[in-house]
Amino acid sequence: IAGITQAPTSQILAAGRRMTLRCTQDMRHNAMYWYRQDLGLGLRLIHYSNTAGTTGKGEVPDGYSVSRANTDDFPLTLASAVPSQTSVYFCASSAKFSGGAYNEQFFGPGTRLTVL
Amino acid sequence: SQQGEEDPQALSIQEGENATMNCSYKTSINNLQWYRQNSGRGLVHLILIRSNEREKHSGRLRVTLDTSKKSSSLLITASRAADTASYFCATDPYSGGGADGLTFGKGTHLIIQP
Repeated sequence: IAGITQAPTSQILAAGRRMTLRCTQDMRHNAMYWYRQDLGLGLRLIHYSNTAGTTGKGEVPDGYSVSRANTDDFPLTLASAVPSQTSVYFCASSAKFSGGAYNEQFFGPGTRLTVL
Repeated sequence: SQQGEEDPQALSIQEGENATMNCSYKTSINNLQWYRQNSGRGLVHLILIRSNEREKHSGRLRVTLDTSKKSSSLLITASRAADTASYFCATDPYSGGGADGLTFGKGTHLIIQP
């Protein structure tokens, strides 16, 4: 693995179903993020994690949950998918400065999710 | 809410010309970053400028930051067809050590005509 990988690449999902998007990085970055990208809206932060064992809510967290059991993995779960969650989802990671500022983020290739 | 807002939303120029994109933001920041996204792909980091810097260069890229106006510009010189992409500014808002991540604008779609 080199960088960040996401799985699946794309998925069509029936409304009401549960879905987990996977994200794995091999750069030993302490911080990881999930964004959704919708046409005309740019990227919006869903959840983030500054270090293994901690998570936080971003701008649009409702309907999503995350966990950070270890440094490398940061799965995003949709407990009961709805059509408004149709989007492209990007996972990212960065080495966060000890003083609080963020360094550059490295992005995965994205997961295109369609909820019918 | 969006912290950064790019201007223009779309830009079409001839190959070899310079392309300038602007970004405005609302709150104090630690740094501002520019990213590029090719169609259907993930974002790629281009350059980071810290709040105490005014200008930064990287190859054909030049970024300026004016914290008094809360604005930044990205200049791509001698544009090439491969520069066709969407460009996003992202701000790292100063939050006293808070951990909200970057806030992205909606992007400028740049088309380089051959």
